[in-house]
Amino acid sequence: GAVVSQHPSWVICKSGTSVKIECRSLDFQATTMFWYRQFPKQSLMLMATSNEGSKATYEQGVEKDKFLINHASLTLSTLTVTSAHPEDSSFYICSATGEAPYEQYFGPGTRLTVT
Amino acid sequence: AQSVTQPDIHITVSEGASLELRCNYSYGATPYLFWYVQSPGQGLQLLLKYFSGDTLVQGIKGFEAEFKRSQSSFNLRKPSVHWSDAAEYFCAVGPHYYSGAGSYQLTFGKGTKLSVIP
Repeated sequence: GAVVSQHPSWVICKSGTSVKIECRSLDFQATTMFWYRQFPKQSLMLMATSNEGSKATYEQGVEKDKFLINHASLTLSTLTVTSAHPEDSSFYICSATGEAPYEQYFGPGTRLTVT
Repeated sequence: AQSVTQPDIHITVSEGASLELRCNYSYGATPYLFWYVQSPGQGLQLLLKYFSGDTLVQGIKGFEAEFKRSQSSFNLRKPSVHWSDAAEYFCAVGPHYYSGAGSYQLTFGKGTKLSVIP
C-alpha cells in the first residue's frame, strides 16, 4: 500500500518550452502533496506544499510563476515547469501524505533535462 | 529553526561488516524522526520512524535506529551490510504534533552515501 507514482520518469525538453510532471497516489487519498527538487549529490529541497483544491504554498525563493502546481484531486498533483531553461534541469520528487500526516510516501522522481 | 546534521558524507564498508550512520538534530522539542533510503535515480523509501515509546526502533531490511534524547541523535545501524544496501541515506525530522496548519513538513539532512565493498 501507499504507492506514489510519477510521470514521466525522465524528460528532455528544449529551452523555452514547458513541461508537466504528474504525481499520483495510487492506493490512497492524498490530503497533502509535496514537491521537492534534488540537485546531484545533495539533499531534497522543498519547493512547495499543496492541498487538494487549494493554492499551493511555495517555499521562499521558489518562483510561483515558473513552477505551477495544481492539486486537482485527492490522487493527482501536477508540477508544470514553464519556459524551462537549462538551470531548471534537476531531479524532481513528489511525496504525499494520507490519513497519517506525519508519513510522507515518495514517488520515484522525474529527471528533467533542458537543452 | 530545526536542522538535521549527517556528519558523514560518504561511508565505505565491506559486505558483512556492521554499519552505523550518524544523525544529529536540533529542534525545540522532541521531534518525530525518520530514516529514508534512496537508490540511484529513485525516490525515497522509508526505512523506519520514531514517534514515541521504545527508543530502539526496528525498520525494514534489517535496519534499526536508536533515539538518544540526551545526545539529540538518531543513529541508524545494521549488524551485517549487504551489497544491495549501497545507496544514499537521509535522516529527517518533523514536528511532534500536527499543527493543523495544513501540512506537515520534514527537514532532511544532506545525506550519507554508503558504498559496499564485495
